[in-house]
Amino acid sequence: QSALTQPRSVSGSPGQSVTISCTGTSSDVANYNYVSWYQQHPGKAPKLMIYDVSKRPSGVPDRFSGSKSGNTASLTISGLQAEDEADYYCCSYAGSNTWVFGGGTKLTVL
Amino acid sequence: QVQLVESGGGVVQPGRSLRLSCAASGFTFSSYAMHWVRQAPGEGLEWVAVISYDGSKEFYADSVRGRFAISRDNSKNTLYLQMNSLRAEDTAVYFCTREITYRSGGYYFDYWGQGTLVTVSS
Repeated sequence: QSALTQPRSVSGSPGQSVTISCTGTSSDVANYNYVSWYQQHPGKAPKLMIYDVSKRPSGVPDRFSGSKSGNTASLTISGLQAEDEADYYCCSYAGSNTWVFGGGTKLTVL
Repeated sequence: QVQLVESGGGVVQPGRSLRLSCAASGFTFSSYAMHWVRQAPGEGLEWVAVISYDGSKEFYADSVRGRFAISRDNSKNTLYLQMNSLRAEDTAVYFCTREITYRSGGYYFDYWGQGTLVTVSS
């Protein structure tokens, strides 16, 4: 149950695009299309942004998109806005009724 | 609207016990598996435990197995986490969250509570 690997931080200017990677193993990310992404502002609860690798819940802007290749999932945020500044976490189902999160990525909007 | 409200956190000495609760409303609680996820101060999210919709199955992270017990009372729409033999490294905000799973996908968390802080310190 090792944490998925995410970059500690990424940054971008308003209007630009950023991509956050999430690297796992053959036991989690590579083996299941059950990767989800969560946004967390300081002191707040996580908010679901992407599920099933690339699906967006109702209400999440289409500026947020997800993908996966092999053991690496990615979250791309296009048209960056100030309110996107937050921590982002990936999560994967890891089989046998266990889940694993990434270490989190701090997104700074310059 | 869906609401999850955790309670029961506080300061506890190492080796002691604490029970957290999560009161659910706005949905049919007995139809959903429920989880606990924690976040140590300044750290990332860590999955802790899951219980099936009917309480018949429980699964745990290696870090808490044998010390923590997840349970639920569907008649009270409440989720619990009994934490025993607490250690300093269990200090964290504990969130309860609802799982969504369906035939062709899922295994994600759509609603989260605001969390309750547990501090293990002498």
